Amino acid sequence: GAVVSQHPSWVICKSGTSVKIECRSLDFQATTMFWYRQFPKQSLMLMATSNEGSKATYEQGVEKDKFLINHASLTLSTLTVTSAHPEDSSFYICSAPPGDRGWSYTFGSGTRLTVV
Amino acid sequence: AQSVTQLGSHVSVSEGALVLLRCNYSSSVPPYLFWYVQYPNQGLQLLLKYTTGATLVKGINGFEAEFKKSETSFHLTKPSAHMSDAAEYFCAVSTNNAGNMLTFGGGTRLMVKP
Repeated sequence: GAVVSQHPSWVICKSGTSVKIECRSLDFQATTMFWYRQFPKQSLMLMATSNEGSKATYEQGVEKDKFLINHASLTLSTLTVTSAHPEDSSFYICSAPPGDRGWSYTFGSGTRLTVV
Repeated sequence: AQSVTQLGSHVSVSEGALVLLRCNYSSSVPPYLFWYVQYPNQGLQLLLKYTTGATLVKGINGFEAEFKKSETSFHLTKPSAHMSDAAEYFCAVSTNNAGNMLTFGGGTRLMVKP
């Protein structure tokens, strides 16, 4: 079945540094990738939608300059958290929407980011 | 616009008892509905989904859900809870557009008592 590989699975970084999270579609092409953020004991909230070949679409309240999203190819979407602060500590999950795979969303395994 | 409400952020049942997790949705067009399970520090696993056709949907691990349009509900049930069912459960809605995003409910933490 369709697989989205997300790396790293966990990362600890210092305040002020940047962290890049990658999501790769392994056996299909993903023209779109959704990026979600999940704070502890909360639900998944959509941050942005990346589209191959065009600019990402950000949800209201999400800082574009802080959360840089790039959809470099049909199999790779990245989220870079720039100048990370402790309040950015969260669980980040990517998801490829249904395409030719029937009505199935494919999720990455998630990245636990801890900013110290 | 679409939204999902999960009644009860925490549900506790005894092992062997019926599991009922409630989900109500709002959608201006016919919805596609999903239930996912999440174990700590892991991604989401699809339990079941409703797109079209039969309104009673059977999923993995003995779970099922029934789409009731008149009640705008998609409640998740399992006849007999197992300890391994303890996890976070999310109901989600999308619409008849393959590129549309999933909107998640707030989640329900299921606890199973021995």
